[in-house]
Amino acid sequence: DIVMTQSPDSLAVSLGERATINCKSSQSLLSSSDNRNYFGWYQQKPGQPPKLLIYWASTRESGVPDRFSGSGSGTDFTLTISSLQAEDVALYYCQQYYSAPLTFGGGTKMEIK
Amino acid sequence: EAPLVESGGDLVQPGGSLRLSCVASGFTVSDQYMHWVRQAPGKGLEWVSVINIEGTTYYADFVRGRFTISRDISKNTLSLQMNSLRADDSGVYYCVRGKGFITRFWGQGTLVTVSS
Repeated sequence: DIVMTQSPDSLAVSLGERATINCKSSQSLLSSSDNRNYFGWYQQKPGQPPKLLIYWASTRESGVPDRFSGSGSGTDFTLTISSLQAEDVALYYCQQYYSAPLTFGGGTKMEIK
Repeated sequence: EAPLVESGGDLVQPGGSLRLSCVASGFTVSDQYMHWVRQAPGKGLEWVSVINIEGTTYYADFVRGRFTISRDISKNTLSLQMNSLRADDSGVYYCVRGKGFITRFWGQGTLVTVSS
C-alpha cells in the first residue's frame, strides 16, 4: 500500500498570511502513461463531509477559491493557501488515487494565530 | 452536485452484520465509480471500497472478505454489506461519487457503532 505522510499535524497562521501543508508519498504518483500525478487535497470542516479542493495535484475543483493552490510531482506535494481567511479553519487531507487501496494522509489542522 | 443520501447506520454488537445504503439522485450509479470512505470518531479518513463502471470491485485490506460493495440499478442505490463487524469498524461511513478514482462528491454520512 502507498503510505501518505502529511506535515505538519497542526498549523496556526495569522489572517491574511500564507499557509503551507506538505504531503509525501511512499512511491511516485506520477503516471508515465498520461504524465499526471494521481493526487488530491481535501478540506473538512467540523460536522461536514470532506470537500475536494485539488486533484491531479494542481487542478482546482470548480468553485474553490483561487487562494488555494496545489503543487508538486512524483512523491512530494504542497497545498498553499495564499492569504488565510477565517473560513479556511478546517482539517486538510491529502490522498493518492494512483492505485487501490486509495490512501489518505493523517490530516493537518489549520487554525488562526 | 447531485445529492447522495446514506442510511442504515446503527448500533450493532461485535460479530454482527449491517447493510448500508446510499440513494443517488441526478445521475445513475452504474455510470460512475462509487466509493465508500469511513472516519472513526475524531480520526482521519479511511478509504473502504469502490465499484467501477464495469462492476469491478476493490477493497481495503482491513475489510476484504468481510465487506461487500454492490449496486442496484433499479433503485439507483449503492450498498455496503458489512459482516463480522469489529469495534474498530465504528465511525461515519460516507458514500462518494467518484470521477474515476477521484473521490469527488461526498454524502453526509451514516454512523455505525460496533459495541456490546
